[in-house]
Amino acid sequence: SQQGEEDPQALSIQEGENATMNCSYKTSINNLQWYRQNSGRGLVHLILIRSNEREKHSGRLRVTLDTSKKSSSLLITASRAADTASYFCATAPLGGQGNLIFGKGTKLSVKP
Amino acid sequence: NAGVMQNPRHLVRRRGQEARLRCSPMKGHSHVYWYRQLPEEGLKFMVYLQKENIIDESGMPKERFSAEFPKEGPSILRIQQVVRGDSAAYFCASSPFQTSGTSGGTQYFGPGTRLTVL
Repeated sequence: SQQGEEDPQALSIQEGENATMNCSYKTSINNLQWYRQNSGRGLVHLILIRSNEREKHSGRLRVTLDTSKKSSSLLITASRAADTASYFCATAPLGGQGNLIFGKGTKLSVKP
Repeated sequence: NAGVMQNPRHLVRRRGQEARLRCSPMKGHSHVYWYRQLPEEGLKFMVYLQKENIIDESGMPKERFSAEFPKEGPSILRIQQVVRGDSAAYFCASSPFQTSGTSGGTQYFGPGTRLTVL
């Protein structure tokens, strides 16, 4: 069954604005990861947050995790046209064998 | 430090033919995962392998699909007697250790193989 569900499905903003994407999941997890995929390309790992962490930063990225609500958010600050891509959250289920469960993604468009 | 490599990048097959997709993990990685992505969808897990062992194939269709990761050489995802519904992008990922463990870990993805079945 689908684990991660991103919201919104699509987001269009102007360069310089912040972009916030949300992810909800259903079962207990070991960690949650965010990936970026440019059109027709492979996935690029952005950031991993463990189940015992609440917030993590990496450059212009800020990820939060609320295990009580089974949700996470990805904030991209001061967006650039090059941030245009699809963003996926992926969860590593607790007790799982190693597979990640992906949502359908948020398609972000940053207009110059 | 080469990343995960997949070949071919694009593969066209006619219905009933066989498709072989190859994945070479990052150097030092012994865990390989295969995922399938349909257009406008997220990735769906298919199979998780370590060298010479299938650890989890719960996402793999029971028929026509098989995967291996031999002691030497790349991991192979094999699809026999392809049908149009097999058309998708197939991604391979690798990690140095099990992703779900408490030590956790990132999976590093290859560029994918786009399979088109005519």
